[in-house]
Amino acid sequence: SQQGEEDPQALSIQEGENATMNCSYKTSINNLQWYRQNSGRGLVHLILIRSNEREKHSGRLRVTLDTSKKSSSLLITASRAADTASYFCAQTGYSTLTFGKGTMLLVSP
Amino acid sequence: NAGVTQTPKFRVLKTGQSMTLLCAQDMNHEYMYWYRQDPGMGLRLIHYSVGEGTTAKGEVPDGYNVSRLKKQNFLLGLESAAPSQTSVYFCASSYKIGQQGNIQYFGAGTRLSVL
Repeated sequence: SQQGEEDPQALSIQEGENATMNCSYKTSINNLQWYRQNSGRGLVHLILIRSNEREKHSGRLRVTLDTSKKSSSLLITASRAADTASYFCAQTGYSTLTFGKGTMLLVSP
Repeated sequence: NAGVTQTPKFRVLKTGQSMTLLCAQDMNHEYMYWYRQDPGMGLRLIHYSVGEGTTAKGEVPDGYNVSRLKKQNFLLGLESAAPSQTSVYFCASSYKIGQQGNIQYFGAGTRLSVL
């Protein structure tokens, strides 16, 4: 399997704190994406970072990419209860994505 | 604009029964995908299609067949259901690679139980 790995598998924080999730992948990438999945729902795209980028921001999200270490991180700043969800990284292949196993984030009020 | 629509949302089958899951997208996407999601396993690709009339195997294709007769529809078939196929199935679609970097849009999922 070429699946990547997210770390940690589960994360529990309080509202207002920052949440950091890490992703490691196995093969060279064109780009790497992060998705969110609320309980019982489909995945929703959050952000894409290309292989020649090192950092990208979108609102409260900050993604970094280190191609030499084959790793990426997703930082959610000033978390809210509504951020409670599972987060997946996905590496882009020729025409498909390979998803990691996800990090479950619980944000308590 | 409905996006990606999956039917049915829930289904219970007996071992050996067959069924077809339907995925429809209204975004004129070229690529369509079927995944299964199991606890602790993330999403695994079953089959995908890069255009009308084309299909290709993903990571876990055994026990499934697909068809893409129309650009907007992608069907997933289970010929003889097995308990190991109990899972949540997701359909997704995207533009061609190179357009939007293969960002995928997902349906809400089909929860299938095989008894």
